[in-house]
Amino acid sequence: DTGVSQDPRHKITKRGQNVTFRCDPISEHNRLYWYRQTLGQGPEFLTYFQNEAQLEKSRLLSDRFSAERPKGSFSTLEIQRTEQGDSAMYLCASSRLAGNTGELFFGEGSRLTVL
Amino acid sequence: QQQVKQSPQSLIVQKGGISIINCAYENTAFDYFPWYQQFPGKGPALLIAIRPDVSEKKEGRFTISFNKSAKQFSLHIMDSQPGDSATYFCAASSSYDKVIFGPGTSLSVIP
Repeated sequence: DTGVSQDPRHKITKRGQNVTFRCDPISEHNRLYWYRQTLGQGPEFLTYFQNEAQLEKSRLLSDRFSAERPKGSFSTLEIQRTEQGDSAMYLCASSRLAGNTGELFFGEGSRLTVL
Repeated sequence: QQQVKQSPQSLIVQKGGISIINCAYENTAFDYFPWYQQFPGKGPALLIAIRPDVSEKKEGRFTISFNKSAKQFSLHIMDSQPGDSATYFCAASSSYDKVIFGPGTSLSVIP
């Protein structure tokens, strides 16, 4: 049983560049979530998918952020024209819809540093 | 209304002692209240969860107490061990929708 995997684990980029993160959820999980976590804070909800449909996107998320889950399996989170304030850990989580216990299974995150 | 408040921000407990973390919420539509544990460099992992139809849930050394009228819930860790040193997040969701996390409590258990 493989868990949620995220790639890359670390990304250092210059301000203004675009970055993309990938998340591979647990295979039978229908739902996939993206969260952002900064030092000393709890995970902040960004968006989530049920299969390939994006069900909700946080109002706090600027238009520079976009997420996709084209075939209902892996997902990508792209940040365009990165800013220093985007520096954070980006966490992906998945859950099962059928027989849902509410438990989210998190990956180890992708840490972004914007110089 | 979507916020989950959590206190204390940090907690130091001696080995064998009781660790208590408190949380509060405003949204009465929340019907699922999990606690997640996070170790450095790892993603959060579910520790224990409760639904509002019960006032208490116990799993091993971990107990959730839930007060629906006060819109408060708490985590008690009995016989705290150094291996419990981690960051703990209370959270809430409505009908297993997105999960809203509190700001976290950094727990240090000293020998």
